[in-house]
Amino acid sequence: GNSVTQMEGPVTLSEEAFLTINCTYTATGYPSLFWYVQYPGEGLQLLLKATKADDKGSNKGFEATYRKETTSFHLEKGSVQVSDSAVYFCALSVPGAGSYQLTFGKGTKLSVIP
Amino acid sequence: KAGVTQTPRYLIKTRGQQVTLSCSPISGHRSVSWYQQTPGQGLQFLFEYFSETQRNKGNFPGRFSGRQFSNSRSEMNVSTLELGDSALYLCASSLGASGDAYNEQFFGPGTRLTVL
Repeated sequence: GNSVTQMEGPVTLSEEAFLTINCTYTATGYPSLFWYVQYPGEGLQLLLKATKADDKGSNKGFEATYRKETTSFHLEKGSVQVSDSAVYFCALSVPGAGSYQLTFGKGTKLSVIP
Repeated sequence: KAGVTQTPRYLIKTRGQQVTLSCSPISGHRSVSWYQQTPGQGLQFLFEYFSETQRNKGNFPGRFSGRQFSNSRSEMNVSTLELGDSALYLCASSLGASGDAYNEQFFGPGTRLTVL
């Protein structure tokens, strides 16, 4: 089956620190990979995506590269801000019979302190 | 364009009751998926509807059911509620077209269900 493993937090960083959240996956088939972010009291927002090996997804200073050889999709940001405090979810989707269900990791709570 | 809306936002029920949650997708989106979010199990896929047909189903008991209407709005129903059904229920909509490498899903704010 499909599964996603991501480092569990919480992670606490000072403003302007470097962020890495590790994510590895197991999939039957060729997955698309995603990072979602959830702010308190809200639903999930797509942060970035990559649909094939070596693709780099990027958005709002966050980046992640689809590494097929290591089955990984680590999230990075060079300089975090207080406003980045949220829960981050790594996810995958393997299209099959037209369905695009998402399989999520457990989530990593990030707190950024001034 | 309005986002995905879910009603109600909060719900309190007692064990044994049943509950119906509603989701209105983004205009033009034909696929609606439901997910359950709990602290212990994280985010788990419940089911997906496309053009009024269930296209995929997760590993949940038959007490969990759903449907989709011709205007793409969707409802999910949980019968005979258990304490463990307390969760945030998230709905996501997408265009739903088959054959694409991925299908971006847009999430609603969720319905927080508490079972006492």
